[in-house]
Amino acid sequence: EDQVTQSPEALRLQEGESSSLNCSYTVSGLRGLFWYRQDPGKGPEFLFTLYSAGEEKEKERLKATLTKKESFLHITAPKPEDSATYLCAVQGGNTGFQKLVFGTGTRLLVSP
Amino acid sequence: DADVTQTPRNRITKTGKRIMLECSQTKGHDRMYWYRQDPGLGLRLIYYSFDVKDINKGEISDGYSVSRQAQAKFSLSLESAIPNQTALYFCATSDSLSDTQYFGPGTRLTVL
Repeated sequence: EDQVTQSPEALRLQEGESSSLNCSYTVSGLRGLFWYRQDPGKGPEFLFTLYSAGEEKEKERLKATLTKKESFLHITAPKPEDSATYLCAVQGGNTGFQKLVFGTGTRLLVSP
Repeated sequence: DADVTQTPRNRITKTGKRIMLECSQTKGHDRMYWYRQDPGLGLRLIYYSFDVKDINKGEISDGYSVSRQAQAKFSLSLESAIPNQTALYFCATSDSLSDTQYFGPGTRLTVL
């Protein structure tokens, strides 16, 4: 069964203090790994899709990387507006529709 | 205007009542999904639809039903609401060329 584990559950940073969030996964045939940002009371907002080990994608202060067992979301010089819950999800299988399996998220708080 | 809208945004109802949550999208996507989110459990798939004539159960469909009224509209019904259906409900969409799903703002449902 596909599984996603995110760590830490919660992370508090000072503004400008860089760090990384971890997403460990087990899946039979990775089709895609997805990162979302979720603000309180809102729906998940799509950030990145990664498809193969070694792939990296960047957006502003965020950089997502992928290995065969985990993905990291690196946050460089974070600002208070980066505070949110970050969700990781994987989709496995080689054919047909396969549901996304979500982790429970990392709650990030960036203090000024 | 938002690409994916959900109504109502908040709903309080009583045990045994029938309730419908509605989702509309202007993204032109053919695939639509319903999820629920509970603290500590992550997002779980309730139902999904690949076109107007296609409806499929997800991992937690018991107690729920859906209707795809048009390509842009997908509604979720709770036939007889129970307290453990209290949760955040999200609609999502994707197109057949990409596995990336885009989420609506959510409906907070409370069953007393």
